[in-house]
Amino acid sequence: SQQGEEDPQALSIQEGENATMNCSYKTSINNLQWYRQNSGRGLVHLILIRSNEREKHSGRLRVTLDTSKKSSSLLITASRAADTASYFCATGDNNAGNMLTFGGGTRLMVKP
Amino acid sequence: ETGVTQSPTHLIKTRGQQVTLRCSSQSGHNTVSWYQQALGQGPQFIFQYYREEENGRGNFPPRFSGLQFPNYSSELNVNALELDDSALYLCASSLPGANVLTFGAGSRLTVL
Repeated sequence: SQQGEEDPQALSIQEGENATMNCSYKTSINNLQWYRQNSGRGLVHLILIRSNEREKHSGRLRVTLDTSKKSSSLLITASRAADTASYFCATGDNNAGNMLTFGGGTRLMVKP
Repeated sequence: ETGVTQSPTHLIKTRGQQVTLRCSSQSGHNTVSWYQQALGQGPQFIFQYYREEENGRGNFPPRFSGLQFPNYSSELNVNALELDDSALYLCASSLPGANVLTFGAGSRLTVL
């Protein structure tokens, strides 16, 4: 079963706009990660945020984590057509930080 | 430095048959995990191997089994295939103690 839900399930925006994806989870975590997947291929790691961190940046990516609400968000700023992909959040718990539980994903389409 | 490689990329089997999928981990990575991703869903954790032993297992029946070899490569075996086993099977490797996974491109299994 999935750890939680991602919202929205699908998102369509114009190039240059910002894209925000949300993730909720159910259990205590050690870390939360975001991965990207192009067209049913392998997943690529984007960013990891630890349970004691609240915000993290990497290039055009900004991730926030609210452990009291068991939720996270991924913001992609100034989106590009090449950002079109599915984005998944994944959580690792304290006993198994790299045995990840994935959400259902957000399918992002960026129109040129 | 080579990444994670999986074979075969695509295969078709019939119900009741058995399948073996193979994975070569990234150089220096001694932990290998397998995930099943059904169409339109997030990956689900099958199991993880570390030092040639199963290190953790998700909610999958015993007909899903695996091996890890001294060179850290791995196999996933599925017996008595069912239609619902049709999915993308992803292998991921990681450094010792690391939470970030490096994924292969996957093996797409179709069960008819």
